[in-house]
Amino acid sequence: SQQGEEDPQALSIQEGENATMNCSYKTSINNLQWYRQNSGRGLVHLILIRSNEREKHSGRLRVTLDTSKKSSSLLITASRAADTASYFCAYMNSGYSTLTFGKGTMLLVSP
Amino acid sequence: DGGITQSPKYLFRKEGQNVTLSCEQNLNHDAMYWYRQDPGQGLRLIYYSQIVNDFQKGDIAEGYSVSREKKESFPLTVTSAQKNPTAFYLCASRREGLAGGGTYNEQFFGPGTRLTVL
Repeated sequence: SQQGEEDPQALSIQEGENATMNCSYKTSINNLQWYRQNSGRGLVHLILIRSNEREKHSGRLRVTLDTSKKSSSLLITASRAADTASYFCAYMNSGYSTLTFGKGTMLLVSP
Repeated sequence: DGGITQSPKYLFRKEGQNVTLSCEQNLNHDAMYWYRQDPGQGLRLIYYSQIVNDFQKGDIAEGYSVSREKKESFPLTVTSAQKNPTAFYLCASRREGLAGGGTYNEQFFGPGTRLTVL
């Protein structure tokens, strides 16, 4: 399977600013998910958006999905230093039961 | 890290040795997964199992083996045939079901095992 691509690879912002990460993929998908990973730890599921959805919110997170462009974006509003982590998109191909992960975006939020 | 445990947290292996990484879950999930993470590479799927006594190769299964004798356990063996085993290994299980007119199937991850070959 081909990995998704996240953009940018790294992002450095100040507390209070918004952070936007993008993800592109190459196949038809069933759903797309975003995960967070603190350094040296396991991944934590943040949000799932189905292929028939265009936008989803969860707290300070907003995810959009454009299946015509095969892309998704994750917006973190009013960022905090505790948001510093790597963020991965992962998509489930239609008809499969596995996730394909992107290479991730490293987010650094400075106080 | 949910109800998934991995042990040990750090593992050192000499070249030519087989080692087994443990993964246990108490979430009553049917599906379990093993991933390898290298710097800048994201996660790559090694093996997965959708039900007890059944498992499938992922994208990078060569040099690895698994078993699924119990629902709660999915151990991964890194064999001497794996040429570059130094990496961070992550185990996950999948929650699957129906809600709000659709399905949900996010994965829950363990804390990982960092394997270093000396």
